[in-house]
Amino acid sequence: GAGVSQSPRYKVAKRGQDVALRCDPISGHVSLFWYQQALGQGPEFLTYFQNEAQLDKSGLPSDRFFAERPEGSVSTLKIQRTQQEDSAVYLCASKPLPQETQYFGPGTRLLVL
Amino acid sequence: KNEVEQSPQNLTAQEGEFITINCSYSVGISALHWLQQHPGGGIVSLFMLSSGKKKHGRLIATINIQEKHSSLHITASHPRDSAVYICAAQKNSGGSNYKLTFGKGTLLTVNP
Repeated sequence: GAGVSQSPRYKVAKRGQDVALRCDPISGHVSLFWYQQALGQGPEFLTYFQNEAQLDKSGLPSDRFFAERPEGSVSTLKIQRTQQEDSAVYLCASKPLPQETQYFGPGTRLLVL
Repeated sequence: KNEVEQSPQNLTAQEGEFITINCSYSVGISALHWLQQHPGGGIVSLFMLSSGKKKHGRLIATINIQEKHSSLHITASHPRDSAVYICAAQKNSGGSNYKLTFGKGTLLTVNP
């Protein structure tokens, strides 16, 4: 079946521009995660949803970052007034049950100029 | 000090060699994950283990809970195994036991 998909795959933004990154999890997956991966580093946790509820947003780096999952399926990560330090790969992952492993999307590579 | 440390950072091998990548963690965990990331970003989960050993094809993952250490082994390595291998700890800290803490990854290059 279809895996986790993310769009766009690549995004170039000018500093100060707002961006929206989309994640389509595997159908029926309750849990959804967003991660940020800087070049040469491992992913870092941003936020976690269980269905439509955002249970943990402790990893969001600033109030310019906002995530939502209004109907418990598709999720959007929005970054306002992008800065150069926001340049990274943004990964989405989903899983069906707490004890299961996570399924990762291909990521969105964001470059802020 | 990072909560999850991997070694080596970079590893180059000849086709057919036995590969070992190590992971040490400093937190209590409910599970330890090994992930593979190919150029272009896609991450694939290889193993999720909480004790002992798991095997899938030429890949073997082991964990020693007492020593807080895990290893990923690749037997008869092949150039298609070239990728970044990432270790991630799933903490057992009560309400946030869903959260993964990742190592920086080990870049493996297998030459023909």
